[in-house]
Amino acid sequence: DAGVIQSPRHEVTEMGQEVTLRCKPISGHNSLFWYRQTMMRGLELLIYFNNNVPIDDSGMPEDRFSAKMPNASFSTLKIQPSEPRDSAVYFCASSTTNYGYTFGSGTRLTVV
Amino acid sequence: GQQLNQSPQSMFIQEGEDVSMNCTSSSIFNTWLWYKQDPGEGPVLLIALYKAGELTSNGRLTAQFGITRKDSFLNISASIPSDVGIYFCAARGSGNTPLVFGKGTRLSVIA
Repeated sequence: DAGVIQSPRHEVTEMGQEVTLRCKPISGHNSLFWYRQTMMRGLELLIYFNNNVPIDDSGMPEDRFSAKMPNASFSTLKIQPSEPRDSAVYFCASSTTNYGYTFGSGTRLTVV
Repeated sequence: GQQLNQSPQSMFIQEGEDVSMNCTSSSIFNTWLWYKQDPGEGPVLLIALYKAGELTSNGRLTAQFGITRKDSFLNISASIPSDVGIYFCAARGSGNTPLVFGKGTRLSVIA
């Protein structure tokens, strides 16, 4: 199994631009999670899906952030418009019920 | 909300020394897990604990699920340079609720 696949690995964009992060979970995993990691705040859960349905998006910082999971093998996290304070590493993780998560390698986002 | 207090925040140790880190909470959890994150990568699961009092080993790593279900520790014996990284505790309450993560312990090993 290739694990959780995230793209791109690195993204540098200008303030105000739209950013789309992509994630392919492990086949057969029914839950998908988006996290943001910064030095100050550690790992923050942004949103998670069970069986492609968003369950809790209370961690999404503002309306500029949105996430979708159109099918069991793909999810996106979009930031529009991006701001410098959105700079962080964004992780996608997937799991089966009640087991530990498998994380992707992350997308390092820099907004200048 | 539920929080995990992980300590220490960072450690500098000599190669060959043993390491101990822990996580505590005011909430009760049903599952405790320990992850390691290497630079530039995502966290990787090291050990999962599903029962209060459980003591589990994975090579040089040993972790325990506290009997009160409010804490867990991770020990690393005879540390080596590749143990360098950030170690996270994580825990889950009942049902299929998301994992809560600690803020991590940054381990540095001096050869």
